[in-house]
Amino acid sequence: QQQVKQSPQSLIVQKGGISIINCAYENTAFDYFPWYQQFPGKGPALLIAIRPDVSEKKEGRFTISFNKSAKQFSLHIMDSQPGDSATYFCAARPSDNRKLIWGLGTSLAVNP
Amino acid sequence: DTGVSQNPRHKITKRGQNVTFRCDPISEHNRLYWYRQTLGQGPEFLTYFQNEAQLEKSRLLSDRFSAERPKGSFSTLEIQRTEQGDSAMYLCASSLATLTGGQFFGPGTRLTVL
Repeated sequence: QQQVKQSPQSLIVQKGGISIINCAYENTAFDYFPWYQQFPGKGPALLIAIRPDVSEKKEGRFTISFNKSAKQFSLHIMDSQPGDSATYFCAARPSDNRKLIWGLGTSLAVNP
Repeated sequence: DTGVSQNPRHKITKRGQNVTFRCDPISEHNRLYWYRQTLGQGPEFLTYFQNEAQLEKSRLLSDRFSAERPKGSFSTLEIQRTEQGDSAMYLCASSLATLTGGQFFGPGTRLTVL
């Protein structure tokens, strides 16, 4: 049972454009929502994270938008660059447990 | 480098052999996690520790897998009698035991079972 649904599976964006990746969750007991970036052959790198009491968080070109009532959160990458080409994972953490529940990932390609 | 480190980075073994991986977490992190990742998939949770206590182990994990964190610092993951289906990237992560304690991953150990 997939508790965190991520879309799209793959995404192609032109350099300078905005990349948007969406996630939806089912369990209202989640209390922490991180996004990870992973390059081939490397471990996931924590990119940005948000708690459900905040609707938006911005760090540089990366923004998380969080909609608690819709149980959705999204990652926006502004001014996308070829170096952003990677796989992005959203995740959610239950408040009564420390393990992360992962989305299936989005493969992002930014064309120069 | 003060990040999570894992050794070895690559391991090739024959089916039936035992392998052991090591993870050194970020020094002040008291939580340590092991994940497995296959190509095109997200990380799959295996187990996690708080200090030296193993608090959860995935039901999907067979008895051939065992993990330890004897002094609450580094951890080892052992796979006994390896099978070809064990071929994957084994990832270690660590975190603080706080509400906003993000998990920071190591580079992983790539296991290939021939």
